[in-house]
Amino acid sequence: QQQVKQSPQSLIVQKGGISIINCAYENTAFDYFPWYQQFPGKGPALLIAIRPDVSEKKEGRFTISFNKSAKQFSLHIMDSQPGDSATYFCAASSTGNTPLVFGKGTRLSVIA
Amino acid sequence: GAGVSQTPSNKVTEKGKYVELRCDPISGHTALYWYRQSLGQGPEFLIYFQGTGAADDSGLPNDRFFAVRPEGSVSTLKIQRTERGDSAVYLCASSSNGRQETQYFGPGTRLLVL
Repeated sequence: QQQVKQSPQSLIVQKGGISIINCAYENTAFDYFPWYQQFPGKGPALLIAIRPDVSEKKEGRFTISFNKSAKQFSLHIMDSQPGDSATYFCAASSTGNTPLVFGKGTRLSVIA
Repeated sequence: GAGVSQTPSNKVTEKGKYVELRCDPISGHTALYWYRQSLGQGPEFLIYFQGTGAADDSGLPNDRFFAVRPEGSVSTLKIQRTERGDSAVYLCASSSNGRQETQYFGPGTRLLVL
């Protein structure tokens, strides 16, 4: 049972373009939705996170859009750069001592 | 200060052997987590410590896996009678307090069971 479904599995974007990664969840108790970035040979690093009381959160070139009714959230990377090439994971958890559940990841390649 | 460190960075062992993986969390972080990441997959939760105690070990796959954190800082993940299916990257993370605080990950230990 996959609690967080992530798509696409891989993504190629031109430099300067917009990268969009989507996640869907089933558990309506989830109330914390972080995105992690992972470079080869490194551990994941928190990029940005959102809670369901807002529909959008922006930090620099990175934006999370959240649709509570559809149980979906997405990561948008504006003006994508080659240095953004990495694997991105969405995750979710609920308040009350529950573990983070990760999606399977999206491998992003930004080409010049 | 320093981030989360893990040792060894790579471990090759034979099926049936015992291994220990070490995690040094960020100083002062009370919460510590172990995850397992298989190739092409997201991290999969194993166990969560709050201080010295295991607050949630629901992710440990079977009784061959065990983890300790005796002084509330360094943690050791122990795997007995290793199997080829245990091959994965074992990630450790720490956070200042609870689970919905930012989790800072170490670089992982790559375990290969031959």
